[in-house]
Amino acid sequence: NAGVMQNPRHLVRRRGQEARLRCSPMKGHSHVYWYRQLPEEGLKFMVYLQKENIIDESGMPKERFSAEFPKEGPSILRIQQVVRGDSAAYFCASSPGAANEQFFGPGTRLTVL
Amino acid sequence: DQQVKQNSPSLSVQEGRISILNCDYTNSMFDYFLWYKKYPAEGPTFLISISSIKDKNEDGRFTVFLNKSAKHLSLHIVPSQPGDSAVYFCAARRMNRDDKIIFGKGTRLHILP
Repeated sequence: NAGVMQNPRHLVRRRGQEARLRCSPMKGHSHVYWYRQLPEEGLKFMVYLQKENIIDESGMPKERFSAEFPKEGPSILRIQQVVRGDSAAYFCASSPGAANEQFFGPGTRLTVL
Repeated sequence: DQQVKQNSPSLSVQEGRISILNCDYTNSMFDYFLWYKKYPAEGPTFLISISSIKDKNEDGRFTVFLNKSAKHLSLHIVPSQPGDSAVYFCAARRMNRDDKIIFGKGTRLHILP
């Protein structure tokens, strides 16, 4: 029973490029959460999605960031025109329902040059 | 405004002794609390949780205590083992709501030989 999978594990982008981070939740999990961890900081909530719906995006910057969780395939966190301040570890978590513990993936470490 | 606070960035404990990690919260609407453990280059893993209807939950070497009046919880690890060296995140949420988990900044625990 595979856990939450994220790819790539490491992503390097130059300023102005696009970053696409993928998350495959655990089997049977229909709730996906994205968190960002900046250096020396805790995890900050970004967005919560269920299949084909964004439930809460209150933690996501209004510009350049978007997320989706299509009916088929992984959840995608997309960052357009990346800047150095976007460099961080991005973690995805999944759960079978909103009231359950969340299980985290290994994260994608984004470095913007 | 940080709703979940872990005021000790790091803690060193002798192997075999008790480790006590502390956490304070400000939002009285939180009714479910979690502890996650994180190793470098890995995602957080769920450790133990407690509902606000309880004041103690025990799982093997790990015990979480909740003091609702003080809005304080603590994680006790006894006896501490070398593999316990990690970053521990305190987190809180409102159960039965489509709400994200709010994380503290973490405490880095070093178990000394």
